Amino acid sequence: AQTVTQSQPEMSVQEAETVTLSCTYDTSENNYYLFWYKQPPSRQMILVIRQEAYKQQNATENRFSVNFQKAAKSFSLKISDSQLGDTAMYFCAFTRGNTPLVFGKGTRLSVIA
Amino acid sequence: NAGVTQTPKFRILKIGQSMTLQCTQDMNHNYMYWYRQDPGMGLKLIYYSVGAGITDKGEVPNGYNVSRSTTEDFPLRLELAAPSQTSVYFCASRDVRAEQFFGPGTRLTVL
Repeated sequence: AQTVTQSQPEMSVQEAETVTLSCTYDTSENNYYLFWYKQPPSRQMILVIRQEAYKQQNATENRFSVNFQKAAKSFSLKISDSQLGDTAMYFCAFTRGNTPLVFGKGTRLSVIA
Repeated sequence: NAGVTQTPKFRILKIGQSMTLQCTQDMNHNYMYWYRQDPGMGLKLIYYSVGAGITDKGEVPNGYNVSRSTTEDFPLRLELAAPSQTSVYFCASRDVRAEQFFGPGTRLTVL
């Protein structure tokens, strides 16, 4: 069974600084998808970024980028120029595509003014 | 395009009562999911469906039932509510790119 591990329960970062959230996963599959979701205090689950395993290029969405290391089964999220609105729980998730998402336990990020 | 909608937003149940959480999506997605999220925790899969008429159990199905008679609707039924079912419930649907779209959640308290 696939597992997703987020080893940092909580992190904090100063406004305008850069922070990296870690995620590792375990799978024997070669083709799969990885996601980072953000959950602010409103509880709404918001997609931050998506990576397809067969693509070597790391995904980027504005201030958010990933470092996808397929051989190491690592999928970290980098947030640049952190803003107060980035304060939220961040969940890493995995799917083979036709299977439900498997979530990590989350990292609570606080952006400090 | 409303996406995924859930009703109600909040509900308080007494032990032993039953209720149905409603979920509707207007994106014509075949795949739909129900998750629960306990305080400070991640999401756990309760049930999922790959299309109308097809449902399957997830990680934590005990105490719940689902049906999928149409592509749009995927209701979750709680029978004989217990305090352990106090949680926030999320419904989601998935597109062809494997991206899941979540509803706003239902906060359920069982007293």
